[in-house]
Amino acid sequence: GENVEQHPSTLSVQEGDSAVIKCTYSDSASNYFPWYKQELGKGPQLIIDIRSNVGEKKDQRIAVTLNKTAKHFSLHITETQPEDSAVYFCAAPDSGYALNFGKGTSLLVTP
Amino acid sequence: DTAVSQTPKYLVTQMGNDKSIKCEQNLGHDTMYWYKQDSKKFLKIMFSYNNKELIINETVPNRFSPKSPDKAHLNLHINSLELGDSAVYFCASSLFGTLGTDTQYFGPGTRLTVL
Repeated sequence: GENVEQHPSTLSVQEGDSAVIKCTYSDSASNYFPWYKQELGKGPQLIIDIRSNVGEKKDQRIAVTLNKTAKHFSLHITETQPEDSAVYFCAAPDSGYALNFGKGTSLLVTP
Repeated sequence: DTAVSQTPKYLVTQMGNDKSIKCEQNLGHDTMYWYKQDSKKFLKIMFSYNNKELIINETVPNRFSPKSPDKAHLNLHINSLELGDSAVYFCASSLFGTLGTDTQYFGPGTRLTVL
């Protein structure tokens, strides 16, 4: 099955700086890569996703890049704000109908 | 309107008891899931149902039994609870569930504590 590695496990940045979280996957057939944000006490929420036919996707301050050759994808958050503080998960499809999640990155944005 | 709802939000029980967690989605989705999140925040798929049929059953003890009365509901029954079952359980749903490439919408979670 798919194996997703995520790093760093914790990330602390100052407000206004950029944050980058990286993930690698093992199954070259994977074609869908979502990123989820989990705030304290809540369920994960999709913030952005990318499919294998594009290399980059952007939504305001959030962007995701995909390198299929190297089998890695990254989340970029620019102009970070305190409300960006949360746990972020990358994921890739497992053997049908489910997502295999990375172990999460705890992002702390300090004012 | 809550898209994916779970009850209860908190569940505290003794070892050996049997308990159930309920999940409902009002999105009209075909596929529903149960995930377990451990104390280190690791999210792992447990079960997946597509149109009331079991699709995925990961290596979960058979004390855990999902039941889907209709495609809007997926309940999780746990028998003979053990300390190691303590975790947050998330229900999720997706429109089709095709090969995991649909957006999955998560419920708020149920924190289970086994004493």
